[in-house]
Amino acid sequence: DTEVTQTPKHLVMGMTNKKSLKCEQHMGHRAMYWYKQKAKKPPELMFVYSYEKLSINESVPSRFSPECPNSSLLNLHLHALQPEDSALYLCASSRGQGSSEAFFGQGTRLTVV
Amino acid sequence: GENVGLHLPTLSVQEGDNSIINCAYSNSASDYFIWYKQESGKGPQFIIDIRSNMDKRQGQRVTVLLNKTVKHLSLQIAATQPGDSAVYFCAERNNAGNMLTFGGGTRLMVKP
Repeated sequence: DTEVTQTPKHLVMGMTNKKSLKCEQHMGHRAMYWYKQKAKKPPELMFVYSYEKLSINESVPSRFSPECPNSSLLNLHLHALQPEDSALYLCASSRGQGSSEAFFGQGTRLTVV
Repeated sequence: GENVGLHLPTLSVQEGDNSIINCAYSNSASDYFIWYKQESGKGPQFIIDIRSNMDKRQGQRVTVLLNKTVKHLSLQIAATQPGDSAVYFCAERNNAGNMLTFGGGTRLMVKP
């Protein structure tokens, strides 16, 4: 199994809503990542978890809150988002932090209205 | 990486021709580089990687060339096929070895 599974695939939320994005991998990878991708732009790193601990936060606003409940799961909790936060949110995993070949999920297409 | 603004650079090639996609990277201390392919509606997919102590690496139908002097990376695709149509991103690993940074993408369009 070389898949990273993200749910939901699409999400529309209001600016006062609270929602969560979920990511799961069963490859035994110990590093997991959240990226944000706007249209026609490259993915931008948001957070890195290594061995279930947050190791990198790329100055992401607190309305985005990551959580790593165990080595297979990664969540991104969303609260009080803005329309400019609308983007494709990608989860990835790799054997170790910075190690070769990160596997990406298909992403969650988020629209904030 | 490079921010290409509102429009991605586009490379249009005929099916069967060879394609060359270029990327300029920013950190001379980066030790590892990867090419990713992203099809519409999907996440990036690993194609090939190269370490900074190499200048060329070949895979199946793909070759990556690294020129550290000018901080330039290229991806060559032989006998390009319609299934190769996608956006291609280069990525560099920082010298701390703990994160990947993506460069601006190039859209490859293959004409049948």
